[in-house]
Amino acid sequence: DAKTTQPNSMESNEEEPVHLPCNHSTISGTDYIHWYRQLPSQGPEYVIHGLTSNVNNRMASLAIAEDRKSSTLILHRATLRDAAVYYCILRDYGGATNKLIFGTGTLLAVQP
Amino acid sequence: NAGVTQTPKFQVLKTGQSMTLQCAQDMNHNSMYWYRQDPGMGLRLIYYSASEGTTDKGEVPNGYNVSRLNKREFSLRLESAAPSQTSVYFCASSNLGGGYGYTFGSGTRLTVV
Repeated sequence: DAKTTQPNSMESNEEEPVHLPCNHSTISGTDYIHWYRQLPSQGPEYVIHGLTSNVNNRMASLAIAEDRKSSTLILHRATLRDAAVYYCILRDYGGATNKLIFGTGTLLAVQP
Repeated sequence: NAGVTQTPKFQVLKTGQSMTLQCAQDMNHNSMYWYRQDPGMGLRLIYYSASEGTTDKGEVPNGYNVSRLNKREFSLRLESAAPSQTSVYFCASSNLGGGYGYTFGSGTRLTVV
């Protein structure tokens, strides 16, 4: 399984944009880039995923580098409720199992 | 729409006791997964079931068994609980294919004394 690298922690101020980076230099052509977040004492929550093009949904935007070796999760206006651990994970398109392997993620702190 | 339901939410076991953690999903997903999360750590995959009738080991399968009872239900059994199995257990489901996200349950907090 291809690996991802994320900073251990980041800080942001409330109502400011947050850019969470992820490196995945060994990504294969069939890997989707998934992002999940885990709020304190809760299970992980799906945020967004993409393959090659940038993606937007109601929660966030995903910017994918042209060579796909890195990506950035963008929270447009951070709120206190966005304080969580954010996981960047690769999921193979055609694998028989498509299992998600979690790393340690980025702990995002949001200051009021 | 319940999503993924796990029972129980909390459990305390004595060393050597057995128990089964239950998981059910109502989203008609093909695949189901069991993870454990130790304090301050990321999630580690215990077992998964890519489709009904199949199960496979994940990263940390020792001490656990699973049963994919039907498409909706996937149970995790601890035959002889050990203190090292104290953890929070999460069940998840998804459709096969990288273009689908996972849905997670709210977890079972297990303490083995």
